[in-house]
Amino acid sequence: DAKTTQPPSMDCAEGRAANLPCNHSTISGNEYVYWYRQIHSQGPQYIIHGLKNNETNEMASLIITEDRKSSTLILPHATLRDTAVYYCTYNSGYALNFGKGTSLLVTP
Amino acid sequence: DTGVSQDPRHKITKRGQNVTFRCDPISEHNRLYWYRQTLGQGPEFLTYFQNEAQLEKSRLLSDRFSAERPKGSFSTLEIQRTEQGDSAMYLCASSSRTSGRAFNEQFFGPGTRLTVL
Repeated sequence: DAKTTQPPSMDCAEGRAANLPCNHSTISGNEYVYWYRQIHSQGPQYIIHGLKNNETNEMASLIITEDRKSSTLILPHATLRDTAVYYCTYNSGYALNFGKGTSLLVTP
Repeated sequence: DTGVSQDPRHKITKRGQNVTFRCDPISEHNRLYWYRQTLGQGPEFLTYFQNEAQLEKSRLLSDRFSAERPKGSFSTLEIQRTEQGDSAMYLCASSSRTSGRAFNEQFFGPGTRLTVL
């Protein structure tokens, strides 16, 4: 099974950048890394994905190491509404395999 | 709102009863997935449909669980003889026909929270 490792929790001050790391050492060469977040009692929300190159969209930036064994999700200016559990994941077959994620708390 | 809807949003049942959940995916999506999520854990894959064909099933999907997608549109997940351990959030997701094993962006619904008393 695909396996990712993330710190269980992180804090970030409002307006500062939040950098969430993820290790995915067993990822295969053609498998994308996806990041989702989940706000309490809602379904996971897609944030961003990447293969080899760094990616940026309106929500976040994704930095993938050259060996593809780890990545970092960057929320450039965290807001209180970014408080959520963040998951990095990738495919095992057609399934997305989620770990326990990182609980990010953004404080005023 | 991702466009994936699930019904009901909450279900409370007594142990031993049968329950059925419905998922309506994004209309043009031909792939549909069911996941289960317990408190403090990430979603766990249960099963996957491509159109009406059920192509993958997790070891988590015991004989008491059955899923269908009869016309390749909506899907149902039934749990027979519910047990307290079945209490969880049941999530549905869908992805488009352009997705594959490598790139597979899945859009999740809000989930159905099941409580078995």
